[in-house]
Amino acid sequence: GAGVSQSPRYKVTKRGQDVALRCDPISGHVSLYWYRQALGQGPEFLTYFNYEAQQDKSGLPNDRFSAERPEGSISTLTIQRTEQRDSAMYRCASSLVGTSTDTQYFGPGTRLTVL
Amino acid sequence: AQKITQTQPGMFVQEKEAVTLDCTYDTSDQSYGLFWYKQPSSGEMIFLIYQGSYDEQNATEGRYSLNFQKARKSANLVISASQLGDSAMYFCAMREGNNRLAFGKGNQVVVIP
Repeated sequence: GAGVSQSPRYKVTKRGQDVALRCDPISGHVSLYWYRQALGQGPEFLTYFNYEAQQDKSGLPNDRFSAERPEGSISTLTIQRTEQRDSAMYRCASSLVGTSTDTQYFGPGTRLTVL
Repeated sequence: AQKITQTQPGMFVQEKEAVTLDCTYDTSDQSYGLFWYKQPSSGEMIFLIYQGSYDEQNATEGRYSLNFQKARKSANLVISASQLGDSAMYFCAMREGNNRLAFGKGNQVVVIP
């Protein structure tokens, strides 16, 4: 496909369950980013990768959150032992070369609801 | 400290008129980038326009232009000839050397016929 894709688009889970959110970046894009967007707010940075290397994970809120990109393409954001406060839109973005002038293109997001 | 400030309340604009969305930013970096994204009710995040801190000309992309005033640290978005499809939330964002985007809280725009 031409753009960033994410799956699932919607995820409802019970508190305490683990969830895995998938991101498929634009083909050839080196950098991949994860953001979280609460209702009525702008997205907040979680983590990013260049190729398969995680460059910055300082935005991950706690150790229940992890991300990987093992082959430098598809990435998975995993949330263990979900809590209600984890409910949000999780957005993935990718960019060509990961420099400060580089544009990040966003996927449609995964809406996570924790009951 | 908040890096991007968007404080305008929801705005109503008449179709075919221009609208300006305010954005101020805070950084001590010399090299940075400023971005505007559109988020319609469908929830996507659509890239609109980019301005680099060293760019001397204001960026333009079709009906979108960015009024960049570096000394005032402002990067206002101007949408000319508004269309009904411009109704959306608009986010200003800044990218510093660490490559992450810092977003403001957004400006809601409603275009009325």
